[in-house]
Amino acid sequence: GQNIDQPTEMTATEGAIVQINCTYQTSGFNGLFWYQQHAGEAPTFLSYNVLDGLEEKGRFSSFLSRSKGYSYLLLKELQMKDSASYLCAVGAIGSARQLTFGSGTQLTVLP
Amino acid sequence: DVKVTQSSRYLVKRTGEKVFLECVQDMDHENMFWYRQDPGLGLRLIYFSYDVKMKEKGDIPEGYSVSREKKERFSLILESASTNQTSMYLCASSLRQGASYEQYFGPGTRLTVT
Repeated sequence: GQNIDQPTEMTATEGAIVQINCTYQTSGFNGLFWYQQHAGEAPTFLSYNVLDGLEEKGRFSSFLSRSKGYSYLLLKELQMKDSASYLCAVGAIGSARQLTFGSGTQLTVLP
Repeated sequence: DVKVTQSSRYLVKRTGEKVFLECVQDMDHENMFWYRQDPGLGLRLIYFSYDVKMKEKGDIPEGYSVSREKKERFSLILESASTNQTSMYLCASSLRQGASYEQYFGPGTRLTVT
């Protein structure tokens, strides 16, 4: 099975940097995903890591350490529109490469 | 752009009714998924399908069934709706092969069972 932990809530200030951590325990690992979900909307894909290291995509970066079962999402130059829930998800080695999601981290960006 | 659509944004049903939720994707994806999302519990996988007429149980299949008669369409069925099935239901699709297999989500159906 899969067990995924991430903080429930975080608060940060506009223009700052915030790091959202995710730890996981899994019986089969096939990559780690981060999704963003604004209130009342569907999740949208942010990043995918399958190898150790940092993947950078504009203001967002994602890091993975497979040996530690650990990932983080780094958001730089925070904007008010970044207020959302951030979901960590682990991919399985399965027929549909299905994902198991964490409960999400609600990020609030304050002016 | 991948588009995943769901038949209704909001639905209100009575206890005991049979409920159909439909999902259609236009990107020729092999995989399709149904989730429910509840506060504090995150997204939980109900059923998924990796090909036409193929289906597998997810983590919480009890009280639900699915149908995949065409590649682009995946239906979730609540045989006899109960109040504990009040939730947000999200459909998603993804490629079965290839390096990138991120899931694309529909807008969701908020189902209320009274």
